[in-house]
Amino acid sequence: DIVMTQTPLSLSVTPGQPASISCKSSQSLLHSDGKTYFYWYLQKPGQPPQLLIYEVSNRFSGVPDRFSGSGSGTDFTLKISRVEAEDVGIYYCMQSTQFPRITFGPGTKVDIK
Amino acid sequence: QVQLVESGGGVVQPGRSLRLSCTASGFTFSSYGMYWVRQAPGKGLEWVAVIWYDGSIKYYVDSVKGRFTISRDDSKNTLYLQMDSLRVEDTAFYYCARDVGVVAAHLDYWGQGTLVSVSS
Repeated sequence: DIVMTQTPLSLSVTPGQPASISCKSSQSLLHSDGKTYFYWYLQKPGQPPQLLIYEVSNRFSGVPDRFSGSGSGTDFTLKISRVEAEDVGIYYCMQSTQFPRITFGPGTKVDIK
Repeated sequence: QVQLVESGGGVVQPGRSLRLSCTASGFTFSSYGMYWVRQAPGKGLEWVAVIWYDGSIKYYVDSVKGRFTISRDDSKNTLYLQMDSLRVEDTAFYYCARDVGVVAAHLDYWGQGTLVSVSS
């Protein structure tokens, strides 16, 4: 299975400041069809994961534009341009290039200073 | 709007069985594949099983093969997970998620989850 790693595992951010989370995969996520099936989810306290970014850089419906995703191959980044209080929770990266054996990163816990 | 509601969780002894349900609304259930994903308390996410939109293909994570069965009843807009021979390590929140992917999984909506606790 493809192993996903995230750094940092925890992050404390001042409101209004930027934040960045890195995710690396153990092998390239570039699919034979030319797409990269890489996703970011946010799990707010007491809630299920919610989709933020799909296929590396596409924001899901309703996701604020302060969230952006980038990367290719094995290295990916989620950036929050200006963190707000509602952004606290655990951020997970996920790959589905090795469908159906999807795998998730260990999560990055983000809280507010 | 898309809604997924899980039910059927509870406390069960090792070796016993439990059946989880996931009732869907707000979309054409029969058009989408569905996943079960679990999360042990305070831990990360692990896919458990997936079923194709037409029920023709099913896959399981190795740790549940031969013990869990995923199925669906499109007439009831409901996804199931039959869990037999439960083990302590199956203790987790179980989420169902809609897969809108064509080539690979793209899980866009998740239910609130149901807690399964396996303990003697």
